[in-house]
Amino acid sequence: QVQLQESGPGLVKPSETLSLSCTVSGGSINRYYWTWIRQPPGKGLEWIGYIYASGSTDYNPSLKTRVTISVDTSKNQFSLRLNSVTAADTAVYYCARGQWLFEDWGRGTLVTVSS
Amino acid sequence: DIVMTQPSDSLAVSLGERATINCKSSRSVLSISNNKNYLAWYQHKPGQPPKLLIYWASTRESGVPDRFSGSGSGTDFTLTISSLQAEDVAVYYCQQYYSIPGTFGQGTRVEIK
Repeated sequence: QVQLQESGPGLVKPSETLSLSCTVSGGSINRYYWTWIRQPPGKGLEWIGYIYASGSTDYNPSLKTRVTISVDTSKNQFSLRLNSVTAADTAVYYCARGQWLFEDWGRGTLVTVSS
Repeated sequence: DIVMTQPSDSLAVSLGERATINCKSSRSVLSISNNKNYLAWYQHKPGQPPKLLIYWASTRESGVPDRFSGSGSGTDFTLTISSLQAEDVAVYYCQQYYSIPGTFGQGTRVEIK
């Protein structure tokens, strides 16, 4: 079982870019798929997208034009960038291990979009 | 997208009693090619990361107590806690991974009566 820890700013201004990182410990990032999931306040979980260590990605079509997920194998980290944010992007953001089934999760980090 | 619906936002069950959580998908998540239902259940306790409990609709993840069981096929699924323990207080989510994007239900909160 690996451990995951999200990090990044808790407050982002509208129209700017949300950037988060996820540090993986207890295992190599090279072996698995890695995913970002979010949960807006009072709403359900939403899959954002995943990356494999090779760099191959897939994104939720509803977010595809604004999302980039990248990986830094030397740091055992993967990252999320979400452009042109609005209040609707306010959510707890989770990183997780897995492509479609998520066996390990971080505790999540709240990102608020507000001026 | 496949819409996952959990009809109950919450339910209260006495300790030692059975808890039943339902989930319905807007389309079948049963694959004809391998006869598997692409349906998972997660448990989310306050202050902790979500935890995978069940996948393929009825396969328990390693280490999950056998009081948790999953059933159903096609579009209708159930997570059953056979004898509710205090540590089972949590929000439970179903998730389909049959088609992109994988989608989750809204969650059902289980509390002690």
